[in-house]
Amino acid sequence: SAVISQKPSRDICQRGTSLTIQCQVDSQVTMMFWYRQQPGQSLTLIATANQGSEATYESGFVIDKFPISRPNLTFSTLTVSNMSPEDSSIYLCSVGGQKETQYFGPGTRLLVL
Amino acid sequence: GNSVTQMEGPVTLSEEAFLTINCTYTATGYPSLFWYVQYPGEGLQLLLKATKADDKGSNKGFEATYRKETTSFHLEKGSVQVSDSAVYFCARLGGAGGTSYGKLTFGQGTILTVHP
Repeated sequence: SAVISQKPSRDICQRGTSLTIQCQVDSQVTMMFWYRQQPGQSLTLIATANQGSEATYESGFVIDKFPISRPNLTFSTLTVSNMSPEDSSIYLCSVGGQKETQYFGPGTRLLVL
Repeated sequence: GNSVTQMEGPVTLSEEAFLTINCTYTATGYPSLFWYVQYPGEGLQLLLKATKADDKGSNKGFEATYRKETTSFHLEKGSVQVSDSAVYFCARLGGAGGTSYGKLTFGQGTILTVHP
């Protein structure tokens, strides 16, 4: 399985600011995914990030709020823009092909005040 | 659309008790099924998986069998330990032919607490 790291591991931010979360994989992967886990809730897919193309967003998530970059096959970033307290969540990246098991990073714990 | 339904928690057991966490899924296509575990303060770890009907996934004493006839993938363990205390998520991977292809859909999660 791939080894996945995320930065930062946690952060406390003021409302109205933006935070960029990094996801690094130790091997080249085709598909990377970004999930949100709100407090006490399950995971919800935000978007699929494919190298060389625009990210594909799920219903309820938009690029202006959650811009994603995928500059190469081992790295992706998710930005949470113009944050509000409702954005307080754990944000997780995962990797895996369309028929493969997905493996998750350790998550970024975000608190917005 | 695709969905996964888990039994409601939290579940509280004594050490060495038998554990069952129920999970059912919608039957669109032929999804792969997974159980993930999230220990306190950590990310998600794959616990086990099954990719076709009648497959049994197993790991660390946990088992789950892919039951197509009942669209279920219940998680079981014969004797739980305190260290098994965590949140358990059932998930399905969307199969070919739909908009959910390659995407994981999670159940709501079940909190397990095991007391000594």
